[in-house]
Amino acid sequence: DAKTTQPPSMDCAEGRAANLPCNHSTISGNEYVYWYRQIHSQGPQYIIHGLKNNETNEMASLIITEDRKSSTLILPHATLRDTAVYYCIVRPAHNDMRFGAGTRLTVKP
Amino acid sequence: DAGVIQSPRHEVTEMGQEVTLRCKPISGHNSLFWYRQTMMRGLELLIYFNNNVPIDDSGMPEDRFSAKMPNASFSTLKIQPSEPRDSAVYFCASSLDRVTEAFFGQGTRLTVV
Repeated sequence: DAKTTQPPSMDCAEGRAANLPCNHSTISGNEYVYWYRQIHSQGPQYIIHGLKNNETNEMASLIITEDRKSSTLILPHATLRDTAVYYCIVRPAHNDMRFGAGTRLTVKP
Repeated sequence: DAGVIQSPRHEVTEMGQEVTLRCKPISGHNSLFWYRQTMMRGLELLIYFNNNVPIDDSGMPEDRFSAKMPNASFSTLKIQPSEPRDSAVYFCASSLDRVTEAFFGQGTRLTVV
């Protein structure tokens, strides 16, 4: 039961903004959108999350559409160290957190 | 805080042996998750606990797998008997509650030969 859809891979030039899309058309009103990334074989790393409003932190910005059916993670100035698999997750009220296939972002010099 | 601590980092065992993976969540966190990652299946949620109680174990592959959380600071994932197809990286994660971020450990790489 895939709750999110992401492109399998994307490329981005170093120093440019990376915009990673995610579709979650079946999202419920109380479900949050989370983004994580996984570099090499390390444990996934939290990036950002939101419910309705756009969010920004030191790592990234999260833009959620008004109908909440899709979102975009923005890395404003991608570096080579941002090369990773990025996961978009819809987290239901009962707390489980299931990962899909994610988007493999490659930042190129 | 040292973050989520998993042990061992690497485990090599023979088929049929019992394997126990350990996790120490971040102090004060009340939710704990066990995941398995393979190339074929990606990151799979095996089980998660809330306040030391298993909430959903539907991801546990079969009866050979069991998980316990005897107290708020310790959890184990046991495989008995182990099989080569259990070879994977097993991650543990914890979060304060359902609306805060989960922090992952560095994982245990299990190889069953």
